[in-house]
Order: sequence, then C-alpha cells, then structure tokens
Amino acid sequence: ILNVEQSPQSLHVQEGDSTNFTCSFPSSNFYALHWYRWETAKSPEALFVMTLNGDEKKKGRISATLNTKEGYSYLYIKGSQPEDSATYLCASQRGSSGSARQLTFGSGTQLTVLP
Amino acid sequence: NAGVTQTPKFRVLKTGQSMTLLCAQDMNHEYMYWYRQDPGMGLRLIHYSVGEGTTAKGEVPDGYNVSRLKKQNFLLGLESAAPSQTSVYFCASSRDRGASNTGELFFGEGSRLTVL
Repeated sequence: ILNVEQSPQSLHVQEGDSTNFTCSFPSSNFYALHWYRWETAKSPEALFVMTLNGDEKKKGRISATLNTKEGYSYLYIKGSQPEDSATYLCASQRGSSGSARQLTFGSGTQLTVLP
Repeated sequence: NAGVTQTPKFRVLKTGQSMTLLCAQDMNHEYMYWYRQDPGMGLRLIHYSVGEGTTAKGEVPDGYNVSRLKKQNFLLGLESAAPSQTSVYFCASSRDRGASNTGELFFGEGSRLTVL
C-alpha cells in the first residue's frame, strides 16, 4: 500500500448502533498513526495518536486499535449518537523529522448517524 | 484561547490575480502547515515550517509560496491564481515534542478559495 486508504468512504447507521471503519497505511517506515474527527463547518480535531503495534486507545465511546505489522487501524464507535456524525480522518507519519514527519492523510470516512 | 485562526474565510479570485492567506496561532507551536482539501482526496500538504524563518515544500507546492517571519504567523501566497487552485485551504500547527515528535495537529477552520 503506497497511500493511506480509508474504508468505507461513507456510511449511515442508526442511533444506538455500533460501527467501525478501517484505515490502511504503508507498514514499512511506520512511525505513528493519527485519527482526527472533522465535523462539518468546523476544524478537524485530534482523537488519537498511536505508535505501538497492538496499541488500543479509548476516548468515551470511541476507541481505536493499531496493527503496524499489517498496516491497518480500526476506529470503533459504540452506541452511535447523532453528534458522532462527522468525517473521520486517519493519517500516517513515517518518521520524526524532516519530510518524514509530515502526515499523509486518507480521504476520510463520512459517518452519518440517523436519529 | 483562539487556537489557529485563518483569514480570509472566503475569497473569489480571477485567473492571474494574487492573494495571501494568513494563518495565526497563539499556542507557541514550532511547526506550522498549509494543506489543501479537494473533493474525494485527503488533505494534501502544500508547504510547512519547522520554525521561524524556515519553510519547506510539501507534496503539492507548485504555484504557492510561503513565509514565516514570525513564529505565530504562516502566510500562504498565490502569485498568479489558476482555476486548479480552487480548493479549501487549511492551516495547522503542532508542538515540537522533542525526540518523539508525534504531536497532533491543531487546525484552523479553513479558507474557501474560488478561482474563476
């Protein structure tokens, strides 16, 4: 995988459903994986930054896992609420300095939670 | 605390005109970035800066220039705008965390530019 890919591109779920989506990134030269939440008409906001294989992070009903060996991360939302509706971006970081420090973003997963 | 502020929020230009987007951050962050967002594509890095007085090219630098004369400000200039530069531009900043350098980005609210 040369680029950062996210799937699905969009999804609609009912309020109360749990959902998850995927971020695939190059497993070679991996340094860190970022997740951002981007609500319409607002700025993207950081959710998690993950570095270790097998790492799992949690913030309220949202959690993320990381597999650096196979190059993927899952974002889970438990009991989706309408306020969870947003685009979720992931970004791969290849190194700690210079051009490698810069993030490569996926195109995002647009989540709509229907009341 | 304002965070990252971009001006202007909206602008319409004619082909060949020039303009400057201003990004200001009040978090004393060392790193600043300019991205563009186009439909169906991820945020793409135009230029970035690792400190006052330094800039570097990102993934899509052609047609843009930047300057970072003050630590808190990062300017993005279009010398001769083209329709291909119609996009939403985002500024971001991040803190230098030393050896780990996995600091998250703090984004502005975006500037929508249309070039006719």
